[in-house]
Amino acid sequence: AQTVTQSQPEMSVQEAETVTLSCTYDTSESNYYLFWYKQPPSRQMILVIRQEAYKQQNATENRFSVNFQKAAKSFSLKISDSQLGDTAMYFCALDDYKLSFGAGTTVTVRA
Amino acid sequence: DAGVIQSPRHEVTEMGQEVTLRCKPISGHNSLFWYRQTMMRGLELLIYFNNNVPIDDSGMPEDRFSAKMPNASFSTLKIQPSEPRDSAVYFCASTLDRLNTEAFFGQGTRLTVV
Repeated sequence: AQTVTQSQPEMSVQEAETVTLSCTYDTSESNYYLFWYKQPPSRQMILVIRQEAYKQQNATENRFSVNFQKAAKSFSLKISDSQLGDTAMYFCALDDYKLSFGAGTTVTVRA
Repeated sequence: DAGVIQSPRHEVTEMGQEVTLRCKPISGHNSLFWYRQTMMRGLELLIYFNNNVPIDDSGMPEDRFSAKMPNASFSTLKIQPSEPRDSAVYFCASTLDRLNTEAFFGQGTRLTVV
């Protein structure tokens, strides 16, 4: 069974618009962390944002924010004011001592 | 630090041959992960080490795959014998510790088995 599930293989968004990527996860650990990573065509993996499970407040990094719903085991990423440089594959990751990734969502920002 | 270094960047081999992928983690990092990326399955965790000890290898597809970490600065992933379905990009990543630390990835090895 998948530990981290990203149900949207591809998303397209107009420049300056907002896009939301979904992610659900499963863990039996009480202490864990969640991440979103970005992989541009260069193949480099870049950390976008992280969330501690024990914190109720949603993390925010500039134009990137998350909606963390612990009871639902949901961790979505919102990209506001999309820019062409945001075009990449985005991976949701769960760190419960074993760092697992979802299958990824390809985001294309249109000019 | 130069980051996580993987070699080779590209590997083309014939079916049945042995393939060895190499990884040098960031100095001081205690955990090392091997992943396989394909279009169909995304980024799959194959195995991870903590303090050079394999902790979980449940993601290793079959006995043809093996991984070692003889010391803190080097790890290998070996496929013997290789098959066309092993074609993928293989990533190595390291983290400072086991929880809540950013994972730093190498540039990956693109393996093609013909």
